[in-house]
Amino acid sequence: GAVVSQHPSRVICKSGTSVKIECRSLDFQATTMFWYRQFPKQSLMLMATSNEGSKATYEQGVEKDKFLINHASLTLSTLTVTSAHPEDSSFYICSAADGGGQPQHFGDGTRLSIL
Amino acid sequence: GENVEQHPSTLSVQEGDSAVIKCTYSDSASNYFPWYKQELGKRPQLIIDIRSNVGEKKDQRIAVTLNKTAKHFSLHITETQPEDSAVYFCAASRGSGTYKYIFGTGTRLKVLA
Repeated sequence: GAVVSQHPSRVICKSGTSVKIECRSLDFQATTMFWYRQFPKQSLMLMATSNEGSKATYEQGVEKDKFLINHASLTLSTLTVTSAHPEDSSFYICSAADGGGQPQHFGDGTRLSIL
Repeated sequence: GENVEQHPSTLSVQEGDSAVIKCTYSDSASNYFPWYKQELGKRPQLIIDIRSNVGEKKDQRIAVTLNKTAKHFSLHITETQPEDSAVYFCAASRGSGTYKYIFGTGTRLKVLA
């Protein structure tokens, strides 16, 4: 149980492109989803907390207009990196929690490479 | 602000030996402490967690201890195996699941055969 699916797993695109990443909870309803960014050999940096039906809460220093988050249902949250540039290249991981006291479960991550 | 320090950053042990990773947190309101294992390019996977109302928890070869007074918690892996080689992250949170986790900087564990 507690499977989180993240798609796509890998994206390579040109500078200026907007990229959408999906995070789905497959066998539970996720009241809260989290988006992290991870640089090589570094820790997971929380970008934002996403609650179903409400605006995401962004961490300090994360541009909300750059990283658009939509949590439209209890099983889906999306992260859109708008007008991506090479410095946005990174590993993006989502996690989801069911609100019932269970721990966060992570997706497989998306490796984003902007040329 | 909220912070979790993790040591050591790298750890090499011989197969069969024990490994210990230590974390210190700053937010006194933290009451949930998960540990995740991450293999290269893969998702972090929960290996054990502990809540603040207990001081120790064990699951086969893995154990976690918590000292709330000192704001320390540690991961202990006994009888290490090559497949234990990975990066381990501790985290602290004000609750499980829907509360945000503050992650430590990670420990790269290498188990030498």
